[in-house]
Amino acid sequence: NAGVTQTPKFQVLKTGQSMTLQCAQDMNHNSMYWYRQDPGMGLRLIYYSASEGTTDKGEVPNGYNVSRLNKREFSLRLESAAPSQTSVYFCASTKTANSPLHFGNGTRLTVT
Amino acid sequence: AQTVTQSQPEMSVQEAETVTLSCTYDTSESDYYLFWYKQPPSRQMILVIRQEAYKQQNATENRFSVNFQKAAKSFSLKISDSQLGDAAMYFCAYKRVGQGAQKLVFGQGTRLTINP
Repeated sequence: NAGVTQTPKFQVLKTGQSMTLQCAQDMNHNSMYWYRQDPGMGLRLIYYSASEGTTDKGEVPNGYNVSRLNKREFSLRLESAAPSQTSVYFCASTKTANSPLHFGNGTRLTVT
Repeated sequence: AQTVTQSQPEMSVQEAETVTLSCTYDTSESDYYLFWYKQPPSRQMILVIRQEAYKQQNATENRFSVNFQKAAKSFSLKISDSQLGDAAMYFCAYKRVGQGAQKLVFGQGTRLTINP
């Protein structure tokens, strides 16, 4: 059971560089999410996709874009990375609005 | 906006003892869900327990139980017979019922250390 798979696991970027974080789930879940985790702040929602074909902003969307490529895949793009985007990024998915979140193992991103 | 507060950045307990982690939240909603997630050093986020606000009975999962005080907006996690594998960051989280997606609001986390 792969569950939620995130790539890469680690990444270092220079300020101004761009990159895309990939996420795929094999559980036929409808909704997918991107959270970021910073020390002392817990996890905060960046963007989510309630169903294939839709995306919405979460609590901290500035500096990010997302694409729900198909039901399985939900990518997060940083167009021009900034040091404030240094964080651990988690992708998650759920079957329904009230079912538990299934998380990937996270991507540690450092922007220098 | 809803907020979740975990006032204990760190806690420690002796193996086999009982420990309680605190969580308070602020909301004007009457129906919602509350969660405790565990994050071990592997970074994986694991759901420990879930409580639905309309249920008065406190949720339990084996050695894990909650004390849900709706009027006080308090949701503490009790871990009985602590084991070394319980060492982790623990996050309390809130979700409003009726939202179209799992837009959880997380607390800041409590790092739990188990002393052998």
